[in-house]
Amino acid sequence: DIQMTQSPSTLSASVGDRVTITCRASQSISSWLAWYQQKPGKAPKLLIYQASSLESGVPSRFSGSGSGTEFTLTISSLQPDDFATYHCQQYNNYLYTFGQGTKLEIK
Amino acid sequence: QITLKESGPTLVKPTQTLTLTCTFSGFSLSTVGVGVGWIRQPPGEALEWLALIYWNDDHRYSPSLKSRLTITKDTSKNQVVLTMTDMDPVDTATYYCARRLSLKQAFDIWGLGTMVSVSS
Repeated sequence: DIQMTQSPSTLSASVGDRVTITCRASQSISSWLAWYQQKPGKAPKLLIYQASSLESGVPSRFSGSGSGTEFTLTISSLQPDDFATYHCQQYNNYLYTFGQGTKLEIK
Repeated sequence: QITLKESGPTLVKPTQTLTLTCTFSGFSLSTVGVGVGWIRQPPGEALEWLALIYWNDDHRYSPSLKSRLTITKDTSKNQVVLTMTDMDPVDTATYYCARRLSLKQAFDIWGLGTMVSVSS
């Protein structure tokens, strides 16, 4: 099974900051990596798919990059609505795995 | 508008079988490339993918739970059903269903989720 490791587990930042979250796969997954945002008590929301494709309706301050085993989610200028938990998810050989999540907190 | 909604019991006893239904609208599970999956999240923990069924009736399961899961679809009713046998308190979680598209290999539309507790 492919394991996904996110870092950091928790991130404290301020409005206007540029932040980066990393997700590493235990083996190559090409570009089959997605990012989700989840707020307390809510379902996850798809932000990025295929590592770098922005889902329709998602603000352009969100971007994704990477391929193979290392991927990043970048928020260029944090807005108050962005404080949430972020999850990565991989697809490989008909199976899916999520990372453990990164909680983005207000500093 | 695309929507998915999970339904099922909120409480099950240990060793019982859980049956959850995902009722969706706004898309067809007979369209090539479409799938519906189940994902769960124990309180305060990470998301865990459980199962996925495809438009062509192919289905896949999480290797760690494969022996306990069955996923089926009723295209005419726009429903996907997940059964999980031998429930244990560690299976207490919010269970989500979500649409998956082959183009994205990601879950683009999610239901609100349903909380299932396992307790005697």
